[in-house]
Amino acid sequence: KNEVEQSPQNLTAQEGEFITINCSYSVGISALHWLQQHPGGGIVSLFMLSSGKKKHGRLIATINIQEKHSSLHITASHPRDSAVYICANRDNTDKLIFGTGTRLQVFP
Amino acid sequence: DAGITQSPRHKVTETGTPVTLRCHQTENHRYMYWYRQDPGHGLRLIHYSYGVKDTDKGEVSDGYSVSRSKTEDFLLTLESATSSQTSVYFCAISEGTVGYTFGSGTRLTVV
Repeated sequence: KNEVEQSPQNLTAQEGEFITINCSYSVGISALHWLQQHPGGGIVSLFMLSSGKKKHGRLIATINIQEKHSSLHITASHPRDSAVYICANRDNTDKLIFGTGTRLQVFP
Repeated sequence: DAGITQSPRHKVTETGTPVTLRCHQTENHRYMYWYRQDPGHGLRLIHYSYGVKDTDKGEVSDGYSVSRSKTEDFLLTLESATSSQTSVYFCAISEGTVGYTFGSGTRLTVV
């Protein structure tokens, strides 16, 4: 069964801190996705990756295929980064299986 | 242009009534999906489509039906709404190696 687990479920940080959110999955992937959802808002795709590392601004996503693990890092966190971050595993049937999300709050 | 729009954004309906949610895309993507989002659960797939008139069930399809008569439109119908279908519904599109794009969501309340 294709399962996706995220940790932590909730995370608080002070502005400027380095943030790490973890994602583990059980089934080999065709692509792993990181998504962002602001309170009451829509869902935005941050990254899609199947190997290595990707960077966009202050966000970095890494993946270790052998360990079936991915991390999302936020450098120099800011209150506007407060959101729910969701990991999703795209399996070989092209369907996404989602984690339950990590709720991040960054305080000034 | 948002590329994908959902309508309505909010709806309150009575138990037992039919409800149709619409997802419209301007990206000409092949794949379209309907998800529901509930507290304590990740997004869960209701139905998806891989082309005009080609649809399949997801993990929580009971009580829902879909139709896709045009590439750009994917309709989700609750034949007889129940309180357990109170949720936030998201539509998404994808194509090949392009990532997913999500609609803004529809908040449905069944009273």
